[in-house]
This record gives sequence, structure tokens and C-alpha cells, in this order.
Amino acid sequence: ELKVEQNPLFLSMQEGKNYTIYCNYSTTSDRLYWYRQDPGKSLESLFVLLSNGAVKQEGRLMASLDTKARLSTLHITAAVHDLSATYFCAVDLGGSQGNLIFGKGTKLSVKP
Amino acid sequence: DTEVTQTPKHLVMGMTNKKSLKCEQHMGHRAMYWYKQKAKKPPELMFVYSYEKLSINESVPSRFSPECPNSSLLNLHLHALQPEDSALYLCASSQGAGFQETQYFGPGTRLLVL
Repeated sequence: ELKVEQNPLFLSMQEGKNYTIYCNYSTTSDRLYWYRQDPGKSLESLFVLLSNGAVKQEGRLMASLDTKARLSTLHITAAVHDLSATYFCAVDLGGSQGNLIFGKGTKLSVKP
Repeated sequence: DTEVTQTPKHLVMGMTNKKSLKCEQHMGHRAMYWYKQKAKKPPELMFVYSYEKLSINESVPSRFSPECPNSSLLNLHLHALQPEDSALYLCASSQGAGFQETQYFGPGTRLLVL
């Protein structure tokens, strides 16, 4: 059974600071997704990481994937309040079914 | 059009009611999904339809019945639900089902079962 573990689950940080969210998974997968969810809202796709060593950046967020270590990171640079949300990583079980297994999510709160 | 729409946004139903949730996309995606998300929890996959055929049923109770009338529409029929079924129900779609396909999520239907 695939397990996807995120840490931390809760993160309170000040504006302007940097931090990293970690996503570990328990089985081989070459496809990892990061989503953002605002309270009461749906999930917004942030990044798709499709190969070992993949790195993608959008604004203050940068995601990377190490398939050998079964680890993905989401790095936040110079956080701003608008980044406050819950961030989920999701791992594709593979095959032809599109079966995503989500981590528990990291609730990020950025304070002035 | 890069949107997945869901109706209704909110639904309150009794345990003896029958209701349906509707999901629609016009992106030409051939895979559609139903997820259930309880408060402060991650989404959990319920069903996957690939090319209008049910390809995954994650051991969901029979009181939930999915239907895919065509490639743009996905319904979830609800009957005799329990209060513990109260949750946010999310629909998603992707170009195909599986490899390297980003799933795009709708806004969800927030369901309360009394």
C-alpha cells in the first residue's frame, strides 16, 4: 500500500522567511503533483513533476522531485500572506488508472 | 474553457432522500473522477471513469452510484446516505486516465446528511 507522508502538517511562518515542505512516499513512482487548497475551496494544481531531478518554479514556490529518495520538496521563498493555504502532494500509483494518493496536507499560515 | 463545474454547490439531504451531484467539463478530457474530502483531511478517490467506462471503484458503498452519460458529464447518485457521508465531494478531470495526467478539480459540492 502506498503511503504519502507530508511534514510539517502545520506551518506558521512570518512574511519574508523561507521554508520547505517535505513529501515522502513509500513506493516507486515517477509522477508527483502539488496542489493548493484555500479554505472552503477546491484544489488548484501547482506543479507536476514527472522525472527524477525535476525542478519547477512559479513565483515564490519551487518544487523538486528525487525519485531515488522518494522525496519531493516544496520550497517557499520570502513568504507573503497570500501563500496561506493548505498544500497537498499527491503521488500517482501508476498504471493506466490515474489513481492519486494524497498526503495529509500542510496547512501554511503566513503572518505579517 | 478550462473549467470543471459542479452543481449544486451545497446540498442538505435526509437519510431517506435520493439526490444527484453533477459534474461537467468541456475540455475534451476523457477521464473523470469523484473524490470525497472530509474536513481537514486529504481527498480520497471514490471512482474513476475512463472513456466513459468505470475503471476504478475504491470499495465505495452502494449508496453511492456513479454514472457517466457522456464524455463531458459525470453524475453521482446518492441514496440512503448516512450522516458520516457528509463531506465535500470533488469532481476532477484529466486528458486521459493515468500516466502524466494532471487532474483538474471542480469547486466541489458540500454535502450535509441529516
